[in-house]
Order: sequence, then C-alpha cells, then structure tokens
Amino acid sequence: GAGVSQTPSNKVTEKGKYVELRCDPISGHTALYWYRQSLGQGPEFLIYFQGTGAADDSGLPNDRFFAVRPEGSVSTLKIQRTERGDSAVYLCASSLNYRTEAFFGQGTRLTVV
Amino acid sequence: GQQLNQSPQSMFIQEGEDVSMNCTSSSIFNTWLWYKQDPGEGPVLLIALYKAGELTSNGRLTAQFGITRKDSFLNISASIPSDVGIYFCAGFTGNQFYFGTGTSLTVIP
Repeated sequence: GAGVSQTPSNKVTEKGKYVELRCDPISGHTALYWYRQSLGQGPEFLIYFQGTGAADDSGLPNDRFFAVRPEGSVSTLKIQRTERGDSAVYLCASSLNYRTEAFFGQGTRLTVV
Repeated sequence: GQQLNQSPQSMFIQEGEDVSMNCTSSSIFNTWLWYKQDPGEGPVLLIALYKAGELTSNGRLTAQFGITRKDSFLNISASIPSDVGIYFCAGFTGNQFYFGTGTSLTVIP
C-alpha cells in the first residue's frame, strides 16, 4: 500500500480481555516499530523489528505485551489480560532501513473499560 | 530512556509570522526527524536529518541537525492556519527513535 495501515482504528475492550492490533507497513520496508502514545505525550517506544526478528523489545512494559512479524511484513501487537492503564493510541511505523526516516500509520485507539 | 527537551511547549502566533522551535538532549543522536501530528491522526514526517550541521528545507519549513549532534531546530516561515498542530522532534540512537514532548502551535488568522 501507499502508507502504513493499522487496524482496527478503534478498539474498545473489557478489562481482562485479549486484544490484537495489526500493522501493515509500507511495502519493502524492513524496519518496523511499535509505539504507544498517551494523551498529551510524545510516542513511547515499545518494540523494533528488523525483518522477522524483534531486534529490540526493551520498551514492552511487561510480559502481557507481545508482538510478532512472522514473514517480515505485517506485524501484530498482542496484549493479554488488558488493564485500564493499557488505554492509549498504539502507533506503528516502518522505515526502509535501520535509522532512516520512519513513516507512521494513523494509530489504533485502544480503550479498556 | 533518553530525554528530549522540546521547547516551547506551546505557541500562539499571528498568521504570517515565523515560528521557531527546538529540541535538545544530553545524548548524541544519529538521525533527527521532525513530525507534525493532528488530532486523531498519526505523526506525519516533515523533515529528516542525517548529518551533523545539515540544514534541510521542505517548502516553508527548515530544520537543522546541530553540530554537537545533541540538538535540532525547526523553523516555519510565513505561518498559515493549516500549520496548526503539535510538532514533535525525534532523535534516533540505538534501535529506536526517542520523541520530544511536543510543541503545540496555534495560528491566529
């Protein structure tokens, strides 16, 4: 596609449920990033993929969060046993290579009630 | 994590005025990016900088990669109403981009 696509755009879930957020990066981009943004804040790093492997997952807040990118393209961010504090906008970005300009999707707004 | 200090936090300017905002850090970065974000949207890339001292323009926008590699600034000339939004700087080191806290720009027609 022309840009980074994220689905769904909005997700409301009950506390304790499992959610999956999907990211379709720009075709040919090897690097993929997940960020989380709370109201009034800048995006905060969660995880970075180079190809299929998670090169850096140091930003994942705890073991309820997990992400995969099995074929080096689409990525899924998975959150188990959601908590109200997980409510935020989850942003995905891709870039052609390591440290080159990153292009963001429109984000998934997750609300845990 | 790395701290990026972005200033000013907010700006209210008249249409047609020039705008300047900057980002500083105690750490060295290899890449600086500037983004604009509108409500409910993802950040949109404005300018990318890769070398210390680099000065790059994109229309009315001009950004520079500081020679110490610890800072960057963004200038907007002759502001127009559609410049309204939140501007973020982002510096790359290690495996991630670190974002500033944002500058909220309001343009008064």
